Amino acid sequence: GQQLNQSPQSMFIQEGEDVSMNCTSSSIFNTWLWYKQDPGEGPVLLIALYKAGELTSNGRLTAQFGITRKDSFLNISASIPSDVGIYFCAGPRAGNNRKLIWGLGTSLAVNP
Amino acid sequence: DTGVSQDPRHKITKRGQNVTFRCDPISEHNRLYWYRQTLGQGPEFLTYFQNEAQLEKSRLLSDRFSAERPKGSFSTLEIQRTEQGDSAMYLCASSLRAGGLNTEAFFGQGTRLTVV
Repeated sequence: GQQLNQSPQSMFIQEGEDVSMNCTSSSIFNTWLWYKQDPGEGPVLLIALYKAGELTSNGRLTAQFGITRKDSFLNISASIPSDVGIYFCAGPRAGNNRKLIWGLGTSLAVNP
Repeated sequence: DTGVSQDPRHKITKRGQNVTFRCDPISEHNRLYWYRQTLGQGPEFLTYFQNEAQLEKSRLLSDRFSAERPKGSFSTLEIQRTEQGDSAMYLCASSLRAGGLNTEAFFGQGTRLTVV
């Protein structure tokens, strides 16, 4: 079945540093979604990507939809302590856009 | 309406008891989803409604699980005869599909179930 592979699994950075994480799949996705989840909370949608090559920003966050449609990356610039959390990529399963497939997440820790 | 609301936020129950969770979606959203998430994993799809119709159920949803959305607004997820393996975060999400457009799913804060 379709799988999403996220890397790195975890990151520990200093406040102010930039962060990059990515998500790859063995099959094509038509939509890539990036969510952030704080401990004990539900995922919050950060960025949605709909077209191959698309580059979208949301404040200090930038995400790109890979040309092959099999990958996406998320960058966070000038990290701050509240960026701490788990970042998930997700996408609707091919032929079934009602069901999201999720990566295992990238856990981000920021040292003030 | 500020978002998807789930109740309760936390539930501790003894093995064998029944539990019921409630989800209130964003008011204009006609699609409602239930997911389950365990520690260190991403959410796993359980079931989905369009209006009041339950259109898809995952194989994860055993016969002890039942979900309803009687009036096409709020939904309930019931787990009968709970087992320790049911301990997880149960997430509800909603989206709008209309006229060929489909918004992305917005999630509630989840219900954390602990079966002891």
